[in-house]
Amino acid sequence: GDSVTQMEGPVTLSEEAFLTINCTYTATGYPSLFWYVQYPGEGLQLLLKATKADDKGSNKGFEATYRKETTSFHLEKGSVQVSDSAVYFCARAGGFKTIFGAGTRLFVKA
Amino acid sequence: DTAVSQTPKYLVTQMGNDKSIKCEQNLGHDTMYWYKQDSKKFLKIMFSYNNKELIINETVPNRFSPKSPDKAHLNLHINSLELGDSAVYFCASSHEISGGTDTQYFGPGTRLTVL
Repeated sequence: GDSVTQMEGPVTLSEEAFLTINCTYTATGYPSLFWYVQYPGEGLQLLLKATKADDKGSNKGFEATYRKETTSFHLEKGSVQVSDSAVYFCARAGGFKTIFGAGTRLFVKA
Repeated sequence: DTAVSQTPKYLVTQMGNDKSIKCEQNLGHDTMYWYKQDSKKFLKIMFSYNNKELIINETVPNRFSPKSPDKAHLNLHINSLELGDSAVYFCASSHEISGGTDTQYFGPGTRLTVL
């Protein structure tokens, strides 16, 4: 069946470091791809999305590009802040269903 | 102002009890979902409803029964609670099912602890 695989955490970075969280997805059909973020004690909220190949989603300094050739949607940020500490979920939507990756916890130290 | 709300936020109960979690969205969305998040943060779809009709019913024990009295509400009733039901349950909604490609809006979660 369809799946999403993202890098295991936790990821610990110092403030202003560069962030990459890898995500790959199964290529059945033409899915839309998402990154959701979950802050402590809250529900998930959309961070960014891309609906077709080569689209780039971006928000709050985060970006990810829909790469069909490598079936990837890696999340990047050039300079992380302490407030970015959260769990990040990659998701694949299509066929009436959204499938989430296992989540990657990010800790950013001051 | 809350887009997707759930009650209660915390629920502590004994094994064998029956409990309900309520969810309401004021976004005018047609589709609502229930997810279960385990202690390792893994998120799994349980059910989805579109215009009060069941669309997705994953492999969930039939002790779990969703009920959608109208498009804005999707409640989750759980019978004969077991220890393994302890988790955080999230309600979500989206504009339309259309391949499930719309952004989903999540509630704050209900942390269920079964003793």
